[in-house]
Amino acid sequence: NAGVMQNPRHLVRRRGQEARLRCSPMKGHSHVYWYRQLPEEGLKFMVYLQKENIIDESGMPKERFSAEFPKEGPSILRIQQVVRGDSAAYFCASSSQGAPNEQYFGPGTRLTVT
Amino acid sequence: GNSVTQMEGPVTLSEEAFLTINCTYTATGYPSLFWYVQYPGEGLQLLLKATKADDKGSNKGFEATYRKETTSFHLEKGSVQVSDSAVYFCALSASADRGSTLGRLYFGRGTQLTVWP
Repeated sequence: NAGVMQNPRHLVRRRGQEARLRCSPMKGHSHVYWYRQLPEEGLKFMVYLQKENIIDESGMPKERFSAEFPKEGPSILRIQQVVRGDSAAYFCASSSQGAPNEQYFGPGTRLTVT
Repeated sequence: GNSVTQMEGPVTLSEEAFLTINCTYTATGYPSLFWYVQYPGEGLQLLLKATKADDKGSNKGFEATYRKETTSFHLEKGSVQVSDSAVYFCALSASADRGSTLGRLYFGRGTQLTVWP
């Protein structure tokens, strides 16, 4: 019974490049959440998605960041023109429709911008 | 607004010692409260939860009681083991009746626990 999958686990990008982070939710889960963990800090909410819908993106930076959860395939968090301050661990979580408070987390993608 | 304040670490204990990690919160309405644990190199795992005042969440010897009068949800364990070494996060989810979107979790900064044999 696979849990939440994220890939890649580690991603290195030079300043100005694009970063694409993927998240496959647990089987049967239709809700996906993205969180960012900066060094020495707790997790900060970024965005909440259902299939083909953005429910809450109040935690997303206004520029360069976007997220999608298509009808088929994984959820994608996309960061354009990365800067050093984007270096962080990005965690994806998923839940079933009836239990949004019961979130299961993936292992995270550690993004390093050089 | 919603926020979580968590006891800063690191916390270092000997095996079989008593553990308390303090957590207080600010929220409108009646949030649900959670403790998550993060082992090195892994994602967060839900350790326990409580959804209403005076509820006690428990799992693997850990306990936390939802205290509305003191807005607290302190994590306790009577006898820690080396395998409990990890980072512990307190979190809340706002209640829907206050116009907040369900699902968004608010986390504390995390407390690193190291247990020595």
